Amino acid sequence: DTAVSQTPKYLVTQMGNDKSIKCEQNLGHDTMYWYKQDSKKFLKIMFSYNNKELIINETVPNRFSPKSPDKAHLNLHINSLELGDSAVYFCASSQSIRETQYFGPGTRLLVL
Amino acid sequence: AQSVTQPDIHITVSEGASLELRCNYSYGATPYLFWYVQSPGQGLQLLLKYFSGDTLVQGIKGFEAEFKRSQSSFNLRKPSVHWSDAAEYFCAVGAGNNAGNMLTFGGGTRLMVKP
Repeated sequence: DTAVSQTPKYLVTQMGNDKSIKCEQNLGHDTMYWYKQDSKKFLKIMFSYNNKELIINETVPNRFSPKSPDKAHLNLHINSLELGDSAVYFCASSQSIRETQYFGPGTRLLVL
Repeated sequence: AQSVTQPDIHITVSEGASLELRCNYSYGATPYLFWYVQSPGQGLQLLLKYFSGDTLVQGIKGFEAEFKRSQSSFNLRKPSVHWSDAAEYFCAVGAGNNAGNMLTFGGGTRLMVKP
């Protein structure tokens, strides 16, 4: 059973488009996260979401918005995609804000 | 704000040799420390973590790490490397008193294993 899953695995799109990446966890965790990994493998937190409390990394453009329909899902919506958005996006979850985070397999986004 | 430095971008070791990957962190209080491994094209897998207590922690796949507060370090070690250990290794720090516990990652160390 996959603990943290993401769809799609690959996403190729044109500049200016709007796209969403879905994340689901079946671990019963309360907190979910989104990370961005750039071409140099540098990982950076984007959002943390716990009990409807959203904490945003201040460097994240407001074109990015997380949406959580329920506790098991945290989707990432991106408006007006730019070339620099090309990266691998990882979803993660943890039991609480101080517990180990478990990562999904990543979504490789390429903006042309 | 916390930060993590992994001084070695690449490391090459021979199969069967010992391994130490360095990690230095900067954080004002007691940190939560993690090591993750990422195989090519894969997600991140937790190797081990330190929250409190014994400063030498054991992880999966024969890895261990030692928390040294005086040196602000959390180095990862393995006594005998296997070819399957070739991957990217990330050290991360989580702020225990941060409401979001958003992890800060180091830049990663790419491990290559020679036969």
